[in-house]
Amino acid sequence: NAGVTQTPKFQVLKTGQSMTLQCAQDMNHNSMYWYRQDPGMGLRLIYYSASEGTTDKGEVPNGYNVSRLNKREFSLRLESAAPSQTSVYFCASSEGGGQRYYGYTFGSGTRLTVV
Amino acid sequence: SQKIEQNSEALNIQEGKTATLTCNYTNYSPAYLQWYRQDPGRGPVFLLLIRENEKEKRKERLKVTFDTTLKQSLFHITASQPADSATYLCALLNNAGNMLTFGGGTRLMVKP
Repeated sequence: NAGVTQTPKFQVLKTGQSMTLQCAQDMNHNSMYWYRQDPGMGLRLIYYSASEGTTDKGEVPNGYNVSRLNKREFSLRLESAAPSQTSVYFCASSEGGGQRYYGYTFGSGTRLTVV
Repeated sequence: SQKIEQNSEALNIQEGKTATLTCNYTNYSPAYLQWYRQDPGRGPVFLLLIRENEKEKRKERLKVTFDTTLKQSLFHITASQPADSATYLCALLNNAGNMLTFGGGTRLMVKP
C-alpha cells in the first residue's frame, strides 16, 4: 500500500528553470492537494483538485500551475523557478465530500532548492 | 484575517505524563478540526478529526476537545512516551470542505 507517492524527493534548480513535481495516489481518492511548507509559515495550500477534471487556486498559487492528469495523478509545475520557491512541497489526497470529510494522506515531500 | 495559532515553543514533558497542546483560531468558522503528527523529514500523518458539533473525541491515548465558543481545541496525549516526540499540527476545514488550513505546529519532546 503505497499511499501518496511524490517524485523527485530532492531537486536543485537554477533561477528561471522549469520543472514538474509528480504526485500519484493509489487509494481511489477524489480530492488531491499541493502544499508548501516553509519554516515559520506552516503548510500553505497552493492548488487543489476536488475531483478529476477540476482544479482551483489555494492560498499561494502565484508562480505555479497544476494538472489533474487522471484520478490518480496531480502534478505541480514551476514554469520559471525563483529563489522564493525554495521550500518543501507536499502532495496530499483525501476522500469525502458533501457532508462527509476525512483526514488527508500526505506524501513524503519534495525538497526543492532554487539557486 | 484568518489565523490559527499554536505554541511555537517546544513542549517538554516527562515520560508517563499527559501532554496538552493548544490550538486557537480567529476569524474562522470551521466545520471540522483535525490534528496531524509530523516527524522530521516526513509528511504529516492524520491523527484525529472532530466536527463542530462534537465536544470531545478519543482514540486510544489521544483526546481532542473542540470549543467553538472559545475558538480553541486542546489535544491531549496520556501516558506519553518518547516515541510520541514529534511536531503536532492543528488544521481547520472550512464549511465548503475544500480548504484545510494549518497552524504552525507545536514540537513535543517526551523525555525518558
